[in-house]
Amino acid sequence: NAGVMQNPRHLVRRRGQEARLRCSPMKGHSHVYWYRQLPEEGLKFMVYLQKENIIDESGMPKERFSAEFPKEGPSILRIQQVVRGDSAAYFCASSSTGWEQFFGPGTRLTVL
Amino acid sequence: EDQVTQSPEALRLQEGESSSLNCSYTVSGLRGLFWYRQDPGKGPEFLFTLYSAGEEKEKERLKATLTKKESFLHITAPKPEDSATYLCAVQQETSGSRLTFGEGTQLTVNP
Repeated sequence: NAGVMQNPRHLVRRRGQEARLRCSPMKGHSHVYWYRQLPEEGLKFMVYLQKENIIDESGMPKERFSAEFPKEGPSILRIQQVVRGDSAAYFCASSSTGWEQFFGPGTRLTVL
Repeated sequence: EDQVTQSPEALRLQEGESSSLNCSYTVSGLRGLFWYRQDPGKGPEFLFTLYSAGEEKEKERLKATLTKKESFLHITAPKPEDSATYLCAVQQETSGSRLTFGEGTQLTVNP
């Protein structure tokens, strides 16, 4: 049973460009979460989605960030007009029940 | 606001030297407390879930316990491969299933 998959693993963008991060949950998991880990900081919750619905986006910055989990395909975290402060590791987690969450390997975003 | 504080920030042990990591939490209505292990450059790996005070769970050299205010991760006779950052996280009853993480304890086990 494959784990949570994220791609790309590393992403380099210049300031002002868009970043798209993809997450494929574990088979049978309908709950998807995105977390961000800034350098020298802990993991912070961003958004919680179930198929086609955003359940909790209380940790998502109000501007430039959006997330979706379509009926078909992976969950996408989109960051528009990236700035240097967006450089971080972005982790996706999935769950079958909303209790234990299983994390992917992360996408390391570097903004030049 | 939920708060999770882990101590110590870093811990160095000799192989075979048992110790404990602490996770103190402040949350109104604990839904669950979770322990993860994170290796450099990788995602957190799930270890344990604890739901109520008095509960204990074990896996190999690790044992997690829970009280109403804190959780301990006991490491018995650690090996160098146990070196990692150990993360504690809580879920609150009224805030859905999002996790609030502590800053982690970086454990190094020397051979």
